[in-house]
Amino acid sequence: DTEVTQTPKHLVMGMTNKKSLKCEQHMGHRAMYWYKQKAKKPPELMFVYSYEKLSINESVPSRFSPECPNSSLLNLHLHALQPEDSALYLCASSHGGSGNTIYFGEGSWLTVV
Amino acid sequence: TQLLEQSPQFLSIQEGENLTVYCNSSSVFSSLQWYRQEPGEGPVLLVTVVTGGEVKKLKRLTFQFGDARKDSSLHITAAQPGDTGLYLCAPGSLADKLIFGTGTRLQVFP
Repeated sequence: DTEVTQTPKHLVMGMTNKKSLKCEQHMGHRAMYWYKQKAKKPPELMFVYSYEKLSINESVPSRFSPECPNSSLLNLHLHALQPEDSALYLCASSHGGSGNTIYFGEGSWLTVV
Repeated sequence: TQLLEQSPQFLSIQEGENLTVYCNSSSVFSSLQWYRQEPGEGPVLLVTVVTGGEVKKLKRLTFQFGDARKDSSLHITAAQPGDTGLYLCAPGSLADKLIFGTGTRLQVFP
């Protein structure tokens, strides 16, 4: 099983809403990631968790709040977002370390209105 | 800071044509990875190249790592519509921090 599952696939939220994106993997991977991808651009790294602890935060605004409840789950809590935050949010996981394969989910399409 | 510049940014070709995509940097990497992202999907790893000068083949795709390990190329022979997608290179030597290059968007028309 090399699957990373993301829910929901599509989300529309207002600027005052609080919502969450969820990600799950059962490959025993110790590293999990959130990426943001705007149209026609490459994915941009947001956060990395290693052994359930936040190890990398690429200067992401605090309106994005990641959480790793256990080794299989990764959430991204969203609050007070702006329309420019509309994008595809990709979750990924890997065994970690240099040169390892990173497995991506299909992403959650977020629209902020 | 974008570590890897890819060229061309966009390529639109007919089925059966050959093409080459480039991935360049001023930094030396211990390894380099190529991913392909098809519409509506997440990126999928195609190959990891490790040794300077290394050539790897994956069916009609040929990957080469530069001798100095600063650049790489991807050559596709007889492109097919199924090759359509966003091709991304990334250094495999940044531990957990996978940072993609600028990307090449390929469109292959039947």
